[in-house]
Amino acid sequence: DTEVTQTPKHLVMGMTNKKSLKCEQHMGHRAMYWYKQKAKKPPELMFVYSYEKLSINESVPSRFSPECPNSSLLNLHLHALQPEDSALYLCASSQAQGVPEAFFGQGTRLTVV
Amino acid sequence: EDQVTQSPEALRLQEGESSSLNCSYTVSGLRGLFWYRQDPGKGPEFLFTLYSAGEEKEKERLKATLTKKESFLHITAPKPEDSATYLCAVPNAGNNRKLIWGLGTSLAVNP
Repeated sequence: DTEVTQTPKHLVMGMTNKKSLKCEQHMGHRAMYWYKQKAKKPPELMFVYSYEKLSINESVPSRFSPECPNSSLLNLHLHALQPEDSALYLCASSQAQGVPEAFFGQGTRLTVV
Repeated sequence: EDQVTQSPEALRLQEGESSSLNCSYTVSGLRGLFWYRQDPGKGPEFLFTLYSAGEEKEKERLKATLTKKESFLHITAPKPEDSATYLCAVPNAGNNRKLIWGLGTSLAVNP
């Protein structure tokens, strides 16, 4: 199984809503990542978890809150987002942090209205 | 400053018309160069890792090569299903090995 599964595939939320994005992998990878991608731009790193601990936070606003409940799961909690946060949110995993051959999920297309 | 530059920004080919995409990089102590393919609205799909100058990797109609300053992704006799954005990335020189991405080449192959 070489899949990273993200749910939901699409999400529309209002600026006062709270929602969560979910990511799951069963490859035994110990590093998991959240990326944000805008149209015609490369992925932009948001967070890295290594062995279930937050390793990198790329100065992401606090309205994005990551969580890693166990080695297979990664969540991204969203609260009070702005329209400019609309983007494709990608989860990825790799064997370990510093092993950049990452497997990406299909993404969640988020629209903030 | 670590940097990755891809060219061309966009490329349109006829089916069967071979060509190459370029990825030039500036990073201290290269620790790998990675090629990904991305279809619209989907996550990137890992293609190749190259670690040292002179190294080559092949997969179907794609061949990636690496020199000390750049990498090429050669596409031989492309088909319409090869249409996608091709991204390259290198780990930064720091300890966290964060990926530095190019802006990608958008490839369209016409039947």
